[in-house]
Amino acid sequence: QVQLVESGGGLVKPGGSLRLSCAASGFTFSDYYMSWIRQAPGKGLEWLSYIGSSSYTSYADSVKGRFTISRDIAKNSLYLQMNSLRAEDTAVYYCARATTLNYFDSWGQGALVTVSS
Amino acid sequence: EIVLTQSPATLSLSPGERATLSCRASQSVSTYLAWYQQKPGQAPRLLIYDASKRATGIPARFSGSGSGTDFTLTISSLEPEDFAVYYCQQRSIWPLTFGGGTKVDIK
Repeated sequence: QVQLVESGGGLVKPGGSLRLSCAASGFTFSDYYMSWIRQAPGKGLEWLSYIGSSSYTSYADSVKGRFTISRDIAKNSLYLQMNSLRAEDTAVYYCARATTLNYFDSWGQGALVTVSS
Repeated sequence: EIVLTQSPATLSLSPGERATLSCRASQSVSTYLAWYQQKPGQAPRLLIYDASKRATGIPARFSGSGSGTDFTLTISSLEPEDFAVYYCQQRSIWPLTFGGGTKVDIK
């Protein structure tokens, strides 16, 4: 079955960096677009970034220039490099598989990122 | 950016009752709208896509309707496992956006 497992979350100081990983299994990773979506504590969902099969990428304005999405097909892994972190980046970060229609049909369990001094 | 406004914020109902949730878009998204369910401590689950199509494995008591700017998710008869938060999401125009959510809780 489809499985997405995030790792790399933790506590980081404002201005710091963190790299999230998402290990994918149970499907042909190279065939799917993937996204990162976050959820601040007690809040709703915010789409952050997207990577297509040809490595086309797209970002929300809130993270553009600070976050970078990438993927390693050989390792069946998705990444999110997060730089210049701010307190408002504190959230649970989900990796999600996108359908060809750009809906999200599989999600990881989430990785908590806390930005605090 | 398309803003999705969900109402009500909270819906208090009893098991067996009908739930009607609304999602309004700031501009037309055609039928390019999905609904997700999220339970505490869990990731969201896709319920409905393209406004009215049920995702794989979703029970028939969940149905979606609407087009343009006004959409509805209906749960025909609430089961105990349906008490959760529901989000809508549009894919018509980038960036992809989500609504703020409607919590369905037990009355």
